[in-house]
Amino acid sequence: AQKITQTQPGMFVQEKEAVTLDCTYDTSDPSYGLFWYKQPSSGEMIFLIYQGSYDQQNATEGRYSLNFQKARKSANLVISASQLGDSAMYFCAMSLKAGGGADGLTFGKGTHLIIQP
Amino acid sequence: DAGITQSPRHKVTETGTPVTLRCHQTENHRYMYWYRQDPGHGLRLIHYSYGVKDTDKGEVSDGYSVSRSKTEDFLLTLESATSSQTSVYFCAISRQGGEKLFFGSGTQLSVL
Repeated sequence: AQKITQTQPGMFVQEKEAVTLDCTYDTSDPSYGLFWYKQPSSGEMIFLIYQGSYDQQNATEGRYSLNFQKARKSANLVISASQLGDSAMYFCAMSLKAGGGADGLTFGKGTHLIIQP
Repeated sequence: DAGITQSPRHKVTETGTPVTLRCHQTENHRYMYWYRQDPGHGLRLIHYSYGVKDTDKGEVSDGYSVSRSKTEDFLLTLESATSSQTSVYFCAISRQGGEKLFFGSGTQLSVL
């Protein structure tokens, strides 16, 4: 069974600094996808970024980038120039392509990021 | 935004009563999911559906059942609610298996 580990329950970061949120995963399946979601205090789940296991380049979406290190099985989220609005819970998640991926995403326990002015 | 509506948004019920949560989508997506979110546990999959009348169990399915009689509706039923089922319940959809999920706004359920 696949597993996602987020080792940072909480983080405090100064505004405008870069932030790295850690995520490691465990699977023996060669084909998988990695996702990051943001959950602000209002509760909605917001998709941020996706990385496929066969993608050669790290995914980027605006201020978000995914530092994908396949050999180390890590998929860290990097937020550049943090803003107060980045304060939220962040979840790393994985899907497996085997079986068509019908069984959705497996989520980590999350990291609570607080941006301080 | 994906057209996903969860109802009710909030519910308080008593132990032992049946509860049904509804997820309605207007995207015609094939895959639908029910997750629960609890502090310290992230989101955990309860049940999922890969088509009308096609459902399967997730990681934490005990005490829950689901039904999908139409593409757009996915119902989650707690046959006899317990206090351990107090949680926030999220419905999610995806166009294809393994793709990103679009989430509903969640249902806060309290079982007293």
